[in-house]
Amino acid sequence: EVQLVESGGGLVQPGGSLRLSCAASGFTFSNYWMSWVRQAPGKGLEWVANIKKDGSEKYYVDSVKGRFTISRDNAKNSLYLQMNSLRAEDTAVYYCASKTTVTTGGYFDYWGQGTLVTVSS
Amino acid sequence: QSVLTQPPSVSGAPGQRVTISCTGGSSNIGAGYDVHWYQQLPETAPKLLIYGNSNRPSGVPDRFSGSKSGTSASLAITGLQAEDEADYHCQSYDSSLGDFVFGGGTKLTVL
Repeated sequence: EVQLVESGGGLVQPGGSLRLSCAASGFTFSNYWMSWVRQAPGKGLEWVANIKKDGSEKYYVDSVKGRFTISRDNAKNSLYLQMNSLRAEDTAVYYCASKTTVTTGGYFDYWGQGTLVTVSS
Repeated sequence: QSVLTQPPSVSGAPGQRVTISCTGGSSNIGAGYDVHWYQQLPETAPKLLIYGNSNRPSGVPDRFSGSKSGTSASLAITGLQAEDEADYHCQSYDSSLGDFVFGGGTKLTVL
C-alpha cells in the first residue's frame, strides 16, 4: 500500500523558517517525480514545487521562488520542503504527492494526509 | 483567481446525474494538455479520480466519467450517492506559466 506521511508543520512567525518532511513507502520512491501541493484555508489547491526522480531538476511556482527549496533523499525514501522568509499568505495545508509525468502534462497520483503550516505573529 | 474555472457549487438528488465543468484557455486545456480530476472528501486529502481526461484509476466506480473538448473539460457523476458529497478539483498544465494549474474547486452537495 502506498503511503506518504508528512511532518514538520506548525505555527511560525512571519519571516521565519520551517522544514517539512514526507516519508514514502509502498512504492519505488526513486522512480517517481515528487511534488508539494498546498491548500490555504477554505481555498483550492495550488501546486508549489516539483523535483525529478534523481533530484537533478526542480521547479517552483513563482510565489515561492527564492524562498522555498525542494529536495529528496532516495536512500531514505524521503521528500523535503525547506521554507524560508515565510509570509502570512503561505498559511496552508501542505501535501506531499507523487507525480506521474506524461507528454501531455502530468498528474498527482498519490497524496499524503497533509501538514498544516500557520504563519502568524 | 484560478487559471482553470469551475463552478463553486453544484447539487443533485440521490440517483441523479450531475456534471462539473472546468474551463481553461489556449495555453492549457486548449493547447492539448490533459485534464485530471481529484475528489476531496470532507477533512481529507485529495484523491485522484480521473486522469488523462477520461481514465479511471483502479477502484474508482464507473459512475464517474470525464471528457474534454476544446478549452474545457467536464466531470460527470451518475447515480449520485450520499458518499459522493465532496469537493472536486480539476488540474492541467499551463505552458505559458510553466506550472501545473488547478481549478478553484467545486463543492458537490447531495440533497
